[in-house]
Amino acid sequence: ELKVEQNPLFLSMQEGKNYTIYCNYSTTSDRLYWYRQDPGKSLESLFVLLSNGAVKQEGRLMASLDTKARLSTLHITAAVHDLSATYFCAVDLGYDMRFGAGTRLTVKP
Amino acid sequence: GAGVSQSPRYKVAKRGQDVALRCDPISGHVSLFWYQQALGQGPEFLTYFQNEAQLDKSGLPSDRFFAERPEGSVSTLKIQRTQQEDSAVYLCASSSTTGLSGNTIYFGEGSWLTVV
Repeated sequence: ELKVEQNPLFLSMQEGKNYTIYCNYSTTSDRLYWYRQDPGKSLESLFVLLSNGAVKQEGRLMASLDTKARLSTLHITAAVHDLSATYFCAVDLGYDMRFGAGTRLTVKP
Repeated sequence: GAGVSQSPRYKVAKRGQDVALRCDPISGHVSLFWYQQALGQGPEFLTYFQNEAQLDKSGLPSDRFFAERPEGSVSTLKIQRTQQEDSAVYLCASSSTTGLSGNTIYFGEGSWLTVV
């Protein structure tokens, strides 16, 4: 059975600190997505990673993909309160995107 | 409209009632996806349309769930004889390309269904 596992599931961090969210998956796929979801809102696309070794950065967030290790990371640099949200990774299966359970991030002053 | 539009945004249904959830994708988008998101969980795939063709319905949890997109634009997700376990947010998404293809897909804000 395909598994997409994120950790941690809950993350509380201080402003200004760095942290990494991990996404492990159990199938062969060269494409992975990261989404952000604010409470009561829909999913906002953050990154589309299309190949092994792909790295993308936007502001304080940087995502990478290692398809051999079946691992993607979302690195947060110098966190700010506005980054508080739930972050999902999702593995591309063609028509189906298989999501992880999400990492609920809270950034405290 | 500029984005994916879903209606109703909120629906409370009595157990056993039928419900219909509507999705207006971004104009011209070929692909349309339905996902179900339970509270505190990640979205789970329900079904995929390419234009009017339903190419994958493997995620529909039971035969009480039915989706259609007769003219290749607006889609309706119908749930018959709702059960409490159907309570979730139903998300619709669309894309300008076929399948996922490594492209961005755009999600609507969802229809929040509560079955009482």
